Amino acid sequence: NAGVTQTPKFRILKIGQSMTLQCTQDMNHNYMYWYRQDPGMGLKLIYYSVGAGITDKGEVPNGYNVSRSTTEDFPLRLELAAPSQTSVYFCASSPSPVNTEAFFGQGTRLTVV
Amino acid sequence: GENVEQHPSTLSVQEGDSAVIKCTYSDSASNYFPWYKQELGKGPQLIIDIRSNVGEKKDQRIAVTLNKTAKHFSLHITETQPEDSAVYFCAAYSGAGSYQLTFGKGTKLSVIP
Repeated sequence: NAGVTQTPKFRILKIGQSMTLQCTQDMNHNYMYWYRQDPGMGLKLIYYSVGAGITDKGEVPNGYNVSRSTTEDFPLRLELAAPSQTSVYFCASSPSPVNTEAFFGQGTRLTVV
Repeated sequence: GENVEQHPSTLSVQEGDSAVIKCTYSDSASNYFPWYKQELGKGPQLIIDIRSNVGEKKDQRIAVTLNKTAKHFSLHITETQPEDSAVYFCAAYSGAGSYQLTFGKGTKLSVIP
């Protein structure tokens, strides 16, 4: 069982470039999430999805977009990369938003220069 | 929205000693409180959780206590081992359709052999 798989693991972007962080899960979870983790700041929710075709903003959505065309996949899009988006990004999934474990991917370390 | 404060930010203990990490939350409607462990280079992993109708929960060397009146909860690790060294995050879920866990900023625990 692969769980939550994120690609790439590392990426360096130039300011203004675009990229998509990929996330896929094989646990048939309805709920999926994107977090960013900055040093000493914990995890901040960027976007989440409660099922295929349904997405909503989290705490820090500016500069990002998401889509959820299938239950398995939840890609995160950065359109115009800025240095403030340098961070470690984690995708997670869970069968429910509460009272159940959220399974995290290994993370993508993104640097914008 | 919910605000979760976590202390201390770093904690060093001798192997075999106990470690205690404390969190406070602001939203009295919060009803689910998980703790995640993050090892270097990996995504967070759930280690224990507690619901608002329970005051204490134990799992081998790990225990969590919840004081709803004071709005704080704590993680207790007994007989610490070097493999307990990691960053620990507390979180709170306030429900009411928020679909969002609010995380503390993390505690870096170092267990000294």
